[in-house]
Order: sequence, then C-alpha cells, then structure tokens
Amino acid sequence: QSALTQPPSASGSPGQSVTISCTGTSSDVGGYKYVSWYQQHPGKAPKLMIYEVNKRPSGVPDRFSGSKSGNTASLTVSGLQAEDEADYFCSSYAAGDSVLFGGGTKLTVL
Amino acid sequence: QVQLVQSGAEVKKPGASVKVSCKASGYTFNDYYIQWVRQAPGQGLEWVGRIMPYSGDTRYVQKFQGRVTMTRDTSISTVYMELSSLTSDDTAVYYCARRAGTAMIDYWGQGTLVTVSS
Repeated sequence: QSALTQPPSASGSPGQSVTISCTGTSSDVGGYKYVSWYQQHPGKAPKLMIYEVNKRPSGVPDRFSGSKSGNTASLTVSGLQAEDEADYFCSSYAAGDSVLFGGGTKLTVL
Repeated sequence: QVQLVQSGAEVKKPGASVKVSCKASGYTFNDYYIQWVRQAPGQGLEWVGRIMPYSGDTRYVQKFQGRVTMTRDTSISTVYMELSSLTSDDTAVYYCARRAGTAMIDYWGQGTLVTVSS
C-alpha cells in the first residue's frame, strides 16, 4: 500500500481560502467514508481537524471543511488566519483494516 | 481528561531493539484501539499498526511484520510497542494514539524520539 498523495505545499493570504487535495485509490479514499485530516504545528503532535470526510470535532472552527469525490478528498480552509500555518496530513481507512497517511502539505499564510 | 503518556527518548545502536510504552488514562482503556504512528525527521506520518487492549488483537503494516510487536498490560492501562533489528531508517518520533470510530485518531501521546545511531 502506498501513501496517499498530497501536494507538498499550499499558500494563501489572510482571509483567503485554500484547498488541499489528497488522492488515493478505490481501496482506500474512494472505497470508504473514513477520511480524516490532521493539523500539525512544529514540534507538536497532530490534531484532528476533520473526520469521516466532512465532520468537525468539537472546538474546530467551521472555517475548516472537508469533502470527497471519487478517489480524492479535499480539505478547505476558509478565511485563512496566521495560526492556520502548519502541516496538514490526510489519512484514510484502507482495505485489510489498515490506515494510510498522506505525505503532508505545508500550508503557508502569506 | 483523556491522556496518553509515553516513555522517554531512546538512543539505540543498529541491530538493537527498542520498547516504547504508552500509559492511558481518563477513559475506559479496553474500549478503544491504540494505534502507533511514526514520523521520521522532516517527513510525513506512517502508520505502524494497532492493538485492541480488550483482546490483545493486533494488526501490523506488512513492512514491519516480523520486527514489531505490540502488547498491553490491562492492569496498568499501558500498551507497548517493541521494534527489533533497528536501522538508521527507524530513527523517528513514535506516537501512540487512540482510535475512535473507524481509523480516526482523537487523542495522541506526546511522542517518543527513537534515535538509531552507531
């Protein structure tokens, strides 16, 4: 099983929106509704931002949203703020009761 | 509150083994899978495997089969991950994490840095 594919970087100005993609296969992203997104600041553990494609845990701002089409999931951050600058990782449940992660996307707020 | 507290950093020589512990508190230990995820310096996240504390059932990524062993001690709400035949490629921060639902991680440990160096 290969890692999910994410762009290495993304950027936007404060107030703008940015979308990060996560591409897998029909055996992971496309086959299940279990896509999650994590935010990681330097030196910190990841934090859950989106689960089951488009659900937000309590406490996560509604500026963060998720979606999926076919084998590609997406995370959109609207109204970018300075504190959104971080690494973002997608993950998906995969056939055989395993989990795959994406390579990560470094989001820069210009 | 839910907490996962991991053991401290380790330095190991190539070929050695390392055993990392993860003590859970603030919830019913037997009810949630614990996953292990590692992150090499400057790299992405990599799923290593998971254990169900209630039954001890494990599932490992194929690349680690034969080198990784996950165990638990329910009397002290602690899970362990042991990785053997270490190489420099195993240098990473190892996280334990609680799986809620299907493949969703809602709580993470603080991470344990394992450095493999001669």
